[in-house]
Amino acid sequence: AQSVAQPEDQVNVAEGNPLTVKCTYSVSGNPYLFWYVQYPNRGLQFLLKYITGDNLVKGSYGFEAEFNKSQTSFHLKKPSALVSDSALYFCALYTGGFKTIFGAGTRLFVKA
Amino acid sequence: NAGVTQTPKFRILKIGQSMTLQCTQDMNHNYMYWYRQDPGMGLKLIYYSVGAGITDKGEVPNGYNVSRSTTEDFPLRLELAAPSQTSVYFCASTPRDRGYEQYFGPGTRLTVT
Repeated sequence: AQSVAQPEDQVNVAEGNPLTVKCTYSVSGNPYLFWYVQYPNRGLQFLLKYITGDNLVKGSYGFEAEFNKSQTSFHLKKPSALVSDSALYFCALYTGGFKTIFGAGTRLFVKA
Repeated sequence: NAGVTQTPKFRILKIGQSMTLQCTQDMNHNYMYWYRQDPGMGLKLIYYSVGAGITDKGEVPNGYNVSRSTTEDFPLRLELAAPSQTSVYFCASTPRDRGYEQYFGPGTRLTVT
């Protein structure tokens, strides 16, 4: 079965420190993976995607994600966190047929 | 280019009432979706449409209905509101040639009491 999991409900990090938000997936075939961010009272915004190519994908607002096929992971990273990065982050897997599975979300708190 | 717009932003319904959540996109996207978001549950697909006149059920369709008479509009209807339908509802659309690239509206927060 195709699935995506975000093992952490919440991640806390100090401003200026690196951050990682974890995502693992299960799919038959090649995965199409995405990260979205949701700020309070807003819809989801696209951050970055992995379709094919380099395992390190760069996206908006200084975020990047590392695709690891052997570990079936797609972790979101940023070298230096900002307070304004505090938000809800969703990992998503496109399953074909114009359908996408979303993870449960990870709330990121960046403390000043 | 407004993208995906949703109305209303907030609504409180009494049990048994009905309402329609409006969704419009101006990007000429063929595919449109309705999701509900419950705390800690991610997004669940309610209904989707691949074009005008064509709709299909998603993961959690019970208690909802949709229609798609134009490319731009994809309203979601709640006929007999129940407390279990308290949620935040998001509409999204994708272009035909990049069906994985979702564009979301700002959401409608619905409370049923």
